[in-house]
Amino acid sequence: NAGVTQTPKFRILKIGQSMTLQCTQDMNHNYMYWYRQDPGMGLKLIYYSVGAGITDKGEVPNGYNVSRSTTEDFPLRLELAAPSQTSVYFCASSPGGTQYFGPGTRLTVL
Amino acid sequence: DQQVKQNSPSLSVQEGRISILNCDYTNSMFDYFLWYKKYPAEGPTFLISISSIKDKNEDGRFTVFLNKSAKHLSLHIVPSQPGDSAVYFCAASPNTGNQFYFGTGTSLTVIP
Repeated sequence: NAGVTQTPKFRILKIGQSMTLQCTQDMNHNYMYWYRQDPGMGLKLIYYSVGAGITDKGEVPNGYNVSRSTTEDFPLRLELAAPSQTSVYFCASSPGGTQYFGPGTRLTVL
Repeated sequence: DQQVKQNSPSLSVQEGRISILNCDYTNSMFDYFLWYKKYPAEGPTFLISISSIKDKNEDGRFTVFLNKSAKHLSLHIVPSQPGDSAVYFCAASPNTGNQFYFGTGTSLTVIP
């Protein structure tokens, strides 16, 4: 039982490049989330999903897109990377209530 | 607009003593609260939760207290152990499944 897995662990992007952060959970949870954590700050919700085919914006959705075609996967897409998107990104899943987090992806945009 | 606030960025406590971490919130619609613990280079891990119908929840060395009128919750760790050294986040939600709002975290150091 792997829980929530995220790939890659680290990535450096140039301004304007695009990439997809992958997130997979094997706990059959309906809810999935994407957060970003900037230095000295708490986690800010980017997008969340209450089930396959359903997604909604969180506090800081600008510059990101998501999709949820299966219960297991919830990829986060950055289309035009900007230095302001330098952050640590965490994916989480939940059956409702407690969230289980992945180990994070550290992204640097130069 | 920070709806969940942890006003102490850091806290140091002697091993064996009590650690008290505080959290304030502004949104009266929040009715579910959680504490998470985070080690460096790892994702947060769930510690303890409380719903607004209770004012106290206990799990081993960890107790969370909720004061709804003051919009304040606290996490007590007794006795504190060096392995408790980590960053602690509180989080709040108006329901159990959708948007969660996190505080900025308190870094706890337990001194042996």
